[in-house]
Amino acid sequence: QKEVEQNSGPLSVPEGAIASLNCTYSDRVSQSFFWYRQYSGKSPELIMSIYSNGDKEDGRFTAQLNKASQYVSLLIRDSQPSDSATYLCAVTAGGGNKLTFGTGTQLKVEL
Amino acid sequence: EAGVVQSPRYKIIEKKQPVAFWCNPISGHNTLYWYLQNLGQGPELLIRYENEEAVDDSQLPKDRFSAERLKGVDSTLKIQPAELGDSAVYLCASSLGSNSPLHFGNGTRLTVT
Repeated sequence: QKEVEQNSGPLSVPEGAIASLNCTYSDRVSQSFFWYRQYSGKSPELIMSIYSNGDKEDGRFTAQLNKASQYVSLLIRDSQPSDSATYLCAVTAGGGNKLTFGTGTQLKVEL
Repeated sequence: EAGVVQSPRYKIIEKKQPVAFWCNPISGHNTLYWYLQNLGQGPELLIRYENEEAVDDSQLPKDRFSAERLKGVDSTLKIQPAELGDSAVYLCASSLGSNSPLHFGNGTRLTVT
């Protein structure tokens, strides 16, 4: 089992819809969870960080964490074509706080 | 604030040649990371520094890869000799601490021919 798992996609949603991106992780003692957005040919950029169970909202983005079920999700409301990118889930795992990335989910927002 | 600066942006070398990448982290960031990213994959950690100490280098192929972070600021990553399979994007990132968000540089795209 991979430490951090994501569906590679592509996930296609129409403009204005809600995009839901999911991530599961294997290390129960993980403490920090991050979502990064990566445009093609560019470096990852931080979208959201979440550290405790529940929801965290920032503009059109909402991160959801459920430590009991070991999943973290990212919701993007009112999706725009500019949201089309690969979204990487990252989780600190292991006693040394190693940050591990998933393979990313490609999101396509269609006009 | 200035971001993480990496150079060069692109590098093309022949196999068996050496290559070096340089990274200047965000000022005040004690933790520095080197990641490797292959096409269609997430970044994979090569080495993590806390100040000048390498605290996690378990994924660094030590037979050909080396890294240093003198004075706990800038860092260099070296490959000698390079192999065809080393072609990838090498990302440097920095953070305030191990549980803090990472900030990435623009990366160096290495092509080994």
